[in-house]
Amino acid sequence: GQNIDQPTEMTATEGAIVQINCTYQTSGFNGLFWYQQHAGEAPTFLSYNVLDGLEEKGRFSSFLSRSKGYSYLLLKELQMKDSASYLCAVRAGDYKLSFGAGTTVTVRA
Amino acid sequence: IAGITQAPTSQILAAGRRMTLRCTQDMRHNAMYWYRQDLGLGLRLIHYSNTAGTTGKGEVPDGYSVSRANTDDFPLTLASAVPSQTSVYFCASSDSWEVGELFFGEGSRLTVL
Repeated sequence: GQNIDQPTEMTATEGAIVQINCTYQTSGFNGLFWYQQHAGEAPTFLSYNVLDGLEEKGRFSSFLSRSKGYSYLLLKELQMKDSASYLCAVRAGDYKLSFGAGTTVTVRA
Repeated sequence: IAGITQAPTSQILAAGRRMTLRCTQDMRHNAMYWYRQDLGLGLRLIHYSNTAGTTGKGEVPDGYSVSRANTDDFPLTLASAVPSQTSVYFCASSDSWEVGELFFGEGSRLTVL
C-alpha cells in the first residue's frame, strides 16, 4: 500500500503564496498528482509530475523529488476562490491511484 | 455537458438493506473507479474496472460489488448495508488505466442507520 502524508489545514492571506507539502512511500512509482476539491464538490485535476522538477501552470506549480519521496504544490497570488481541499495522489507500480487525506486551505481577506 | 452522472445524489438507508449506486459516463473512457471519501481518511479505492467486462478490487472492497457490462455504466452495490458504509461515494473515469487524470462524478452521499 501507499503512505501519503500532507498537512491537515493551512491558512493564508489573499494575494499571498502557500506551499502544500506531500511526502509519500510507495511500492513502485508512476506519477504524482494534485487535485482540488471545493467543499461539497467533486475533485478536479490540477497537476501531474512523473519526473523530478517543477511543473508550472499559471498560478499553480507542482514540484517532485522522487529520491526524497516528496512533492509540493505552490499556489501563488492567492484568491478567495482558492479556498478548498488539495489532495495529493500517488500512482504506484500497479497504476492504482492512492490519495492522501487532503489539505484544507483557507484564504482570508 | 459530457461527464459522469451519479445517482442518487443522497440517500438514507436502513441497515441490512441492499443498495445500488449508479454511475454513467459519456466520455467513452475505458477505466472506471469507485472511491469512498471519509473525513480524515481521504479518498479510498473500493473497486475499479480497466475495461468493459473486467473488474478488480481496490483498498476497501469488502461489502461492495461492481459490474461492468458495457463501457458507460459502472454500478456499485451494497448487498447488506452497515453503518460503517456511511460515506460519500465518488465514481470516476479515465481514458485508460495507465492515465492518472481522473474525472469525478458529483458524488453520492449515503447514510446507513
